[in-house]
Amino acid sequence: GAGVSQTPSNKVTEKGKYVELRCDPISGHTALYWYRQSLGQGPEFLIYFQGTGAADDSGLPNDRFFAVRPEGSVSTLKIQRTERGDSAVYLCASSLYPRGNTEAFFGQGTRLTVV
Amino acid sequence: GIQVEQSPPDLILQEGANSTLRCNFSDSVNNLQWFHQNPWGQLINLFYIPSGTKQNGRLSATTVATERYSLLYISSSQTTDSGVYFCAVQETSGSRLTFGEGTQLTVNP
Repeated sequence: GAGVSQTPSNKVTEKGKYVELRCDPISGHTALYWYRQSLGQGPEFLIYFQGTGAADDSGLPNDRFFAVRPEGSVSTLKIQRTERGDSAVYLCASSLYPRGNTEAFFGQGTRLTVV
Repeated sequence: GIQVEQSPPDLILQEGANSTLRCNFSDSVNNLQWFHQNPWGQLINLFYIPSGTKQNGRLSATTVATERYSLLYISSSQTTDSGVYFCAVQETSGSRLTFGEGTQLTVNP
């Protein structure tokens, strides 16, 4: 596609449930990023993939959060045993390379609400 | 990690006015981007500007990397310019973008 695509746009889940959020980056982009944005704040880094491997996962808040990118394209962010504090907008971005020409482009986000 | 500070946090303008938004950062950067977040939450790329000056219509941006700041200029503001403007930087030692807290711009008719 022409841009970064995220699905679903909105997700409402019950506390304790498992959720998966999907990101389809711009074709050919090798770097993929996940961010989380709480109301009134700037996006915060979660994890970065270079190809298939997670090059930096230092932003993941705890071991309930996990992400994969098995074929170096689509990525899935997985959250286990969701808590109300996980409610936020989850943003995905991709860039052609991680360094050099690194302009990042963002998807429209997935708004996660944990009730 | 790198610190990014944006000012002012809030700005209210009358349509037609000009404004300047500032972004200060605490360390050397590879990349600096300005985004506009629209009311639906989409981050729209405005400028990729690790250094120098760029212009796009009524918007322009300048980054002085040696002094660790960037400015976003909006001229002849329109109500559609309303939203949150974010500055984000990539420090030389990493690959992530670090965002500032944003400037909430409201343009009244």
